[in-house]
Amino acid sequence: GAGVSQSPSNKVTEKGKDVELRCDPISGHTALYWYRQRLGQGLEFLIYFQGNSAPDKSGLPSDRFSAERTGESVSTLTIQRTQQEDSAVYLCASSLAGLEADTQYFGPGTRLTVL
Amino acid sequence: AQSVAQPEDQVNVAEGNPLTVKCTYSVSGNPYLFWYVQYPNRGLQFLLKYITGDNLVKGSYGFEAEFNKSQTSFHLKKPSALVSDSALYFCAVSPLGGGGNKLTFGTGTQLKVEL
Repeated sequence: GAGVSQSPSNKVTEKGKDVELRCDPISGHTALYWYRQRLGQGLEFLIYFQGNSAPDKSGLPSDRFSAERTGESVSTLTIQRTQQEDSAVYLCASSLAGLEADTQYFGPGTRLTVL
Repeated sequence: AQSVAQPEDQVNVAEGNPLTVKCTYSVSGNPYLFWYVQYPNRGLQFLLKYITGDNLVKGSYGFEAEFNKSQTSFHLKKPSALVSDSALYFCAVSPLGGGGNKLTFGTGTQLKVEL
């Protein structure tokens, strides 16, 4: 596709349920990133993939959060036993090679609401 | 550790007037700096970046930014604002040393351009 796509665009869930968020990066981009944007705040880094390995998971807030990526394609972010503080917009980005100077291109995000 | 500060939560300008959105950074060594814009209910769109070379960087939609190493600033500017420029603007810095370019974002500045 032309850009980064994410699904679903909106997700409402009950506290304690598991959710899966999906990201399709730009074709040919080897690097993929997940960020979280809480209401009225900037973006927080969660995890970075280079290919299908994750050399930097330092931003995952707890062991309830996990992510995987198949090849240099789709990534899923899974949140287990969701809590109300997990409510946020989850943004995915991809870049060509994961170099410091590379531009990251963002998807439209998934708005997660935990009731 | 690197950080980015956007000292103004909101900037108001009249259409046709010049606009400036401020950003200062703290990072070891030479930084890679980015500006993104976010329209309501949409992901982040890349505006411009500074890697090296000319301190004045030109980007999308008539925006430009000036890198000032002595003042550790990277202010976003536009000579003549449009109502359609009203959006949330984020400054970001990329780390050095390899391992991908997880971006550190400022808290964002809401730009409001009025007729």
